[in-house]
Amino acid sequence: EVQLVESGGGLVQPGRSLRLSCAASGFTFDDYAMHWVRQAPGKGLQWVSGISYNSGSLGYADSVKGRFTISRDNAKNSLYLQMNSLRAEDTALYYCARDMGEYYGGDTFDIWGQGTMVTVSS
Amino acid sequence: QSVLTQPPSVSAAPGQKVTISCSGSNSNIGNNYVSWYQQLPGTAPKLLIYDNNKRPSGIPDRFSGSKSGTSATLGITGLQTGDEADYSCGTWDSSLSAEVFGTGTKVTVL
Repeated sequence: EVQLVESGGGLVQPGRSLRLSCAASGFTFDDYAMHWVRQAPGKGLQWVSGISYNSGSLGYADSVKGRFTISRDNAKNSLYLQMNSLRAEDTALYYCARDMGEYYGGDTFDIWGQGTMVTVSS
Repeated sequence: QSVLTQPPSVSAAPGQKVTISCSGSNSNIGNNYVSWYQQLPGTAPKLLIYDNNKRPSGIPDRFSGSKSGTSATLGITGLQTGDEADYSCGTWDSSLSAEVFGTGTKVTVL
């Protein structure tokens, strides 16, 4: 079964850091670009970051650029999001999503995890 | 602030048809493929339509997509109670170098 399972969310104070992980199974992980997409409570979807199949190309939303870092370990079938200098507006459910292609850009997200909740509050 | 605009809600009786619009610009919908996602209450999004009008395996042909200029449309025919969900469009924005989503539309089956 094709599956993505996120972990690492939680309650964190403003200005602190958090690292999210996404474990992939049921498909050849290094054939696909991967993404993080978030959804604030009661709000719509917002793309956060994407990474190509070989980590050669990365992209970030302007709202997280310079604070978040996406990475992947193809040997471990895992995707990561290092989140630094967290703000209240980063509070959201963070989804890991598979791209239909190898490269990010012109993306279609065909497989989604169930998400991990990040709450930034003092 | 989303760059793709959708109506907040649409509704119809069971068996009827609804259409959901997604309005953008030349930097996004006008020059890139559009996808549509369904999000049932309390669940993760699910891909319904990609490349403007293609359905992934397992998606019934009651769901259809189209694009014209800087707008895209999702159609749902033979509306069922199980179709009650939030629907969002998505595409690449070449100016922002970012994937962008629509504001989302809630479908209610009366």
